[in-house]
Amino acid sequence: GAVVSQHPSRVICKSGTSVKIECRSLDFQATTMFWYRQFPKQSLMLMATSNEGSKATYEQGVEKDKFLINHASLTLSTLTVTSAHPEDSSFYICSARDPLVGWSYTFGSGTRLTVV
Amino acid sequence: ELKVEQNPLFLSMQEGKNYTIYCNYSTTSDRLYWYRQDPGKSLESLFVLLSNGAVKQEGRLMASLDTKARLSTLHITAAVHDLSATYFCAVDPAGSQGNLIFGKGTKLSVKP
Repeated sequence: GAVVSQHPSRVICKSGTSVKIECRSLDFQATTMFWYRQFPKQSLMLMATSNEGSKATYEQGVEKDKFLINHASLTLSTLTVTSAHPEDSSFYICSARDPLVGWSYTFGSGTRLTVV
Repeated sequence: ELKVEQNPLFLSMQEGKNYTIYCNYSTTSDRLYWYRQDPGKSLESLFVLLSNGAVKQEGRLMASLDTKARLSTLHITAAVHDLSATYFCAVDPAGSQGNLIFGKGTKLSVKP
């Protein structure tokens, strides 16, 4: 089945630094990828939709200058948390949709970000 | 505003008992997804329901979809401790870009 690889699984960074999270579709080409954030004991909230070769679409309330998304190829999307602060600490999960199987969504393993 | 409502949000069950988790949604959709999440982990796909009347079963879990009522159910039969997890339903709204809208999740605890 479809596999989405997400790295790193855990990262601890200092306040003010930037962190990059990668999301790769391993056995299919994903023209669209999704980035979610999950706070403890809460549901997943969509942050942005990443489209290959074009600008990402951000959800209301998500700062596009803080959460930079790049979808430079059909198999890779990256999320960069810039100038991270403790309130950015969260579980970030990416998802990709196989365009050949329109209803199929595959989730990455998630990245636990802790900003100290 | 699109809403996906799950209930209950917390469920404590005894092993061997049956129970149902409900997922109501407020928009037109023919696609409903159920996921399991263990603590500290990402989502594990359980079921994808793609049409009205769809019913799928895997082990002790059975999911169904009624698109007219905008309701999906996840039925647990003879619960075992290994089923303890948080269960999410998610809706793929018709005409959307394809992003899923999630319910708040149901935290299931199965006790001996």
